[in-house]
Amino acid sequence: KNEVEQSPQNLTAQEGEFITINCSYSVGISALHWLQQHPGGGIVSLFMLSSGKKKHGRLIATINIQEKHSSLHITASHPRDSAVYICAVGRVLNDMRFGAGTRLTVKP
Amino acid sequence: GAGVSQSPRYKVAKRGQDVALRCDPISGHVSLFWYQQALGQGPEFLTYFQNEAQLDKSGLPSDRFFAERPEGSVSTLKIQRTQQEDSAVYLCASSFLEGGYEQYFGPGTRLTVT
Repeated sequence: KNEVEQSPQNLTAQEGEFITINCSYSVGISALHWLQQHPGGGIVSLFMLSSGKKKHGRLIATINIQEKHSSLHITASHPRDSAVYICAVGRVLNDMRFGAGTRLTVKP
Repeated sequence: GAGVSQSPRYKVAKRGQDVALRCDPISGHVSLFWYQQALGQGPEFLTYFQNEAQLDKSGLPSDRFFAERPEGSVSTLKIQRTQQEDSAVYLCASSFLEGGYEQYFGPGTRLTVT
């Protein structure tokens, strides 16, 4: 079993829909990251969080440390949100483990 | 520069060739990481530098993989005698703090071994 599991693997939505991507992990962590990867490979860090909730524009990330679960929400989705969203957990120092990613396609 | 840069962006190599992938981290970033990302998978850790010191190379898949960062800035990942299973995107990330988690990723180098 992978240490970081994401669901769903693929997600197709209509423009304007509310989107939720889930991440569960099985190891103790110091921080959890949500990353966005566009075609061509470039990765952008969206959030780094260790508790509670963070919001940036239309993106919201929550984490429940007790349940070892995090969610990434996108409100009023737009085609430009189409990308792969990766959950990664940081344990100590350089030990970062990545989920396989959720491929999001938002159709106009 | 404004961000982490990698070159080349795309590399096609014939099986058995040696390749060298370059990473220019953000100026002043102490930590530098290399990851390998196979198609449809999340990145997998390869190796980690703190300044010029390679502190962890446990993720390098074989002794054909070698990384260096001689002056504590630019890093090169070298793959000798490439094999088809080496085909992947190679991502570099840097971080300001020693062992810090806020990693800034480069665009990656897509290596295809034919």
